[in-house]
Amino acid sequence: EPEVTQTPSHQVTQMGQEVILRCVPISNHLYFYWYRQILGQKVEFLVSFYNNEISEKSEIFDDQFSVERPDGSNFTLKIRSTKLEDSAMYFCASSVGTENQPQHFGDGTRLSIL
Amino acid sequence: AQSVTQLGSHVSVSEGALVLLRCNYSSSVPPYLFWYVQYPNQGLQLLLKYTSAATLVKGINGFEAEFKKSETSFHLTKPSAHMSDAAEYFCAVRVSSYKLIFGSGTRLLVRP
Repeated sequence: EPEVTQTPSHQVTQMGQEVILRCVPISNHLYFYWYRQILGQKVEFLVSFYNNEISEKSEIFDDQFSVERPDGSNFTLKIRSTKLEDSAMYFCASSVGTENQPQHFGDGTRLSIL
Repeated sequence: AQSVTQLGSHVSVSEGALVLLRCNYSSSVPPYLFWYVQYPNQGLQLLLKYTSAATLVKGINGFEAEFKKSETSFHLTKPSAHMSDAAEYFCAVRVSSYKLIFGSGTRLLVRP
């Protein structure tokens, strides 16, 4: 069964450094998402992406964050200058459509900011 | 604002016993509801979805959920728990074309 893959599984970065989290969505999916889960808290929506542009973003997704689909298969989340509070598990998801179409999630990247 | 509430952060059952994980939602429109399961060190795996076609929804691994509009609930059940069901379960509701909001999760423990 096709799946969403994320790399790396664990990323350790110094505060203030830039980090890029990578995702390969399911190949026939058109909608892409990033969520995060801070330890002990709920899974939170960050951003959705369709047709090479952001379709919706949360208040968490400020100017420090950006997303890109650099080629036909990858989908990336960049954090420009990391803060301690960015430490979390970041999940990528994709879906074939919206509304009643389920989002399929990757295994996540655990980001640790030192 | 739309929200989803999962009652019970931990549920413990004996192997072979009924599993009941509770989810209540608030939504101003007919909702799209989902249950996901997360095994240790893995991502969120879709168990089942409610999309208004039927109130009783069957999912993978023997799980099912019943949508009750009058109670604004979408509880997850399984008649007989297996050890392999031990995981964290998340209820989610779609609040826009793109965005899911999740409950805080329920960790299911299965005792031998």
